[in-house]
Order: sequence, then C-alpha cells, then structure tokens
Amino acid sequence: QQPVQSPQAVILREGEDAVINCSSSKALYSVHWYRQKHGEAPVFLMILLKGGEQKGHDKISASFNEKKQQSSLYLTASQLSYSGTYFCGTDYAGGTSYGKLTFGQGTILTVHP
Amino acid sequence: EAGVVQSPRYKIIEKKQPVAFWCNPISGHNTLYWYLQNLGQGPELLIRYENEEAVDDSQLPKDRFSAERLKGVDSTLKIQPAELGDSAVYLCASSVTTRTSGNNEQFFGPGTRLTVL
Repeated sequence: QQPVQSPQAVILREGEDAVINCSSSKALYSVHWYRQKHGEAPVFLMILLKGGEQKGHDKISASFNEKKQQSSLYLTASQLSYSGTYFCGTDYAGGTSYGKLTFGQGTILTVHP
Repeated sequence: EAGVVQSPRYKIIEKKQPVAFWCNPISGHNTLYWYLQNLGQGPELLIRYENEEAVDDSQLPKDRFSAERLKGVDSTLKIQPAELGDSAVYLCASSVTTRTSGNNEQFFGPGTRLTVL
C-alpha cells in the first residue's frame, strides 16, 4: 500500500523552511527519502529506521515517529538547489522482505530567489 | 566510482513492437531493481534481484514483460509486445543488501524513457 505524502507541492523563497510528511497505514520498518530533479535519477538523501531516530544532513533532516507511522523531512534555510520532487519510500516488512520499497506520489518543492 | 548505467536513454517504438532495456549496476552491488515511473508518480517496483535470483517479481506483468540477470551483474528488461500504456520511464537501481545490514540506499540510473506510438 502506497504511503501518502503531504503537501503535494510547496513553493518557497530562498531561506525559508519546509516540512514534508510521509504517512503509512501499515507498520513501518524503515523510511527512505529521495530527491529527483526533472529528467534525472532519484538521489538518496537518508534512511530512517524504526526507533524514532532523527537524522540530519547539512540543512536537511528527518524524523520517524513509530507511533504515528509517519516520517517528516525538514528543509531549513532552503537553497535554490533544493528544488525538485521529494519521494519517501517505505519498507513495511523488514526481515525477509528487506530492501523492497513502496514510494509515495511525491512532493514538488520549488525554491525561488 | 561509476554509477548505474542504463541504455538506451530514449526509445520510441510503435505498439506491438518488442523493446529491451539494459542495466549495468554499480560494481559489487548484489541487489538490482527495475522500476517503472509514470509522469508525476513515484517509482513502482517491477522486479528485484539478489545476485542472479529474482526474489520479488510479483508486480511484473509476466504476459508481456520478462527480465534476466545473468551472472548476477548486468540485467535486461524486455517488453513484447509493447502497448500504448507502457510509455513511461524505466529506472534501474542497485544496492548492497544483506540479511544483517537490511536496508541500504539504492542508487538509481538515469532511466530509459519509453514512448509507444
């Protein structure tokens, strides 16, 4: 079952912050975040494993709320290079089904000067 | 380190014709994935290989799609015959996956954009 991302689209000015959410109706084992620019391959950002950890990478960080079966991606002080479509990929089973991801429909992020 | 290589990058064919896509994963990556991505949507898994074994092909339309990964390295995805609805981007990805390390990042290739007329 496909995870649900919100919002569907975000428009920002440089320096503004944004939050993208990824929700699942099934218990999650892990959540992967990717960014894809138009006509290019998705690029890996980070993995969150169940346990509610939070990770950071430069000014992009993410959290995993196991109770809510939800992950959030935080983009602070956005840069023009952050523009693209953000996808979360969820792994439901872990264990014997590790590595199988179901991707959300994507969130389009546009950063203007 | 070279990334995932796919060819061709673009393919235009008429319906009912066959088509094949090729993927060379990152050296040392034991897991290979084929995804289909429609415009405005996230990637959808078609088939996943561990070495040369297809461990998940439940979403591969087997009446017209086939795939192989000989010697556990390169892989080919074939459609025969192609239909109008097959127009999409076909992405290949690879990763290192073990039963102890579990999930690891997937590295995607640039994809093949297929247009069926």
